[in-house]
Amino acid sequence: GAVVSQHPSRVICKSGTSVKIECRSLDFQATTMFWYRQFPKQSLMLMATSNEGSKATYEQGVEKDKFLINHASLTLSTLTVTSAHPEDSSFYICSAADGTRNYEQYFGPGTRLTVT
Amino acid sequence: QKEVEQNSGPLSVPEGAIASLNCTYSDRGSQSFFWYRQYSGKSPELIMSIYSNGDKEDGRFTAQLNKASQYVSLLIRDSQPSDSATYLCAVLRGNKLTFGTGTQLKVEL
Repeated sequence: GAVVSQHPSRVICKSGTSVKIECRSLDFQATTMFWYRQFPKQSLMLMATSNEGSKATYEQGVEKDKFLINHASLTLSTLTVTSAHPEDSSFYICSAADGTRNYEQYFGPGTRLTVT
Repeated sequence: QKEVEQNSGPLSVPEGAIASLNCTYSDRGSQSFFWYRQYSGKSPELIMSIYSNGDKEDGRFTAQLNKASQYVSLLIRDSQPSDSATYLCAVLRGNKLTFGTGTQLKVEL
């Protein structure tokens, strides 16, 4: 149980284009999903928290107009990186909180984004 | 002061030994505590959660929590080469999870 999928696993895009990443909780309903970014040899940094049906809450320093988050249902959240630049190249990981398990967070496999 | 602190390591232990990983946190309002394992290039995998003072055992893993000292630890018994990874301590307050930078564990043959 508590499986979270993420798609795509790896994406290469050109500077200036947009990329959408999907995160799905497969066997539980996630009222809250989280998006993290991890640069090499660093820890996970929370970008935003999204609740189903409402606007995402962004962490300080994260541009909400650049990183668009939509949490359309209890099992799906998407992150769109708009007008991507090489400095946006990173490992993006989503997680979903299971309210029936003390809000333990389960992570998706991550998306490796490379912007050329 | 970082919110969640861990020694970055690497911590090297021989196969079969006990590995001890430590974590301290600054927010006394923290409610829940987690240990995640992360292999290189992969996302974190939850291995232990602990909510109250004391020890919690699950197979070869034991988590220990001391809220008065704001200290969480993870013991791995009978360490195996497959345990070689980075172990992330995470602390929950509200619905926000804050991670430490992780301790790299190397289990040597």
